[in-house]
Amino acid sequence: DIQMTQSPSSLSASVGDRVTITCRASQSISSNLNWYLHKPGTAPKLLIYAASSLQSGVPSRFSGSGSGTDFTLTITSVQPEDFATYSCQQSYSTPWTFGQGTKVEIK
Amino acid sequence: QGHLVESGGGLVKPGGSLRLSCATSGFTFTDYYMSWVRQAPGKGLEWVSYSSSGGSTINYADSVKGRFTISTDNVKNLVFLQMDSLRAEDTAVYYCARTSVKWFGDLLGWYFDLWGRGTLVTVSS
Repeated sequence: DIQMTQSPSSLSASVGDRVTITCRASQSISSNLNWYLHKPGTAPKLLIYAASSLQSGVPSRFSGSGSGTDFTLTITSVQPEDFATYSCQQSYSTPWTFGQGTKVEIK
Repeated sequence: QGHLVESGGGLVKPGGSLRLSCATSGFTFTDYYMSWVRQAPGKGLEWVSYSSSGGSTINYADSVKGRFTISTDNVKNLVFLQMDSLRAEDTAVYYCARTSVKWFGDLLGWYFDLWGRGTLVTVSS
């Protein structure tokens, strides 16, 4: 199975800060990498698919980059509604696997 | 846009069975695969299974293979997850997720582009 490792596990940020989350795969997954946002009690939301494609309706402050084993999710100016848990997921091969999540909290 | 609503969760004893349902609306059901993803307490997300709309292509995580069965009703636009021989480690919130498949050049990408709010399954004596 492909292991996905996110860093950091959590971070504190102020509104307006630039936030960067990284995701590393245990083997090359080309660009088969997706990012999700999740808040407790709500439906998870797709942000980025195929490493860098912005899902329709997602604000342009979100962006994704990377290929192979190393990927990054960036929020250029974090907003109050962005405080949540972010997870990466590889769809290169089954079993599709997720990172452990990065919790973004208000400083 | 679409909407997914899971139901059928609850408390069940180890070794017991439960059947989850996912009601879908607002999109053409047969255009998509459908998946189940779960999240155990304090853990990350875990993909469980996916199915094509007609059931011709199905896949399971090793942790549930032989115990869980995914199925679809293309008339009522429903997705089911039959869970048998349940274990304590199956305790989780189970999410239904619409699964898109798309070619990006020579890369076939899969992603969960619509999720429900989940239903809680607790396996405990």
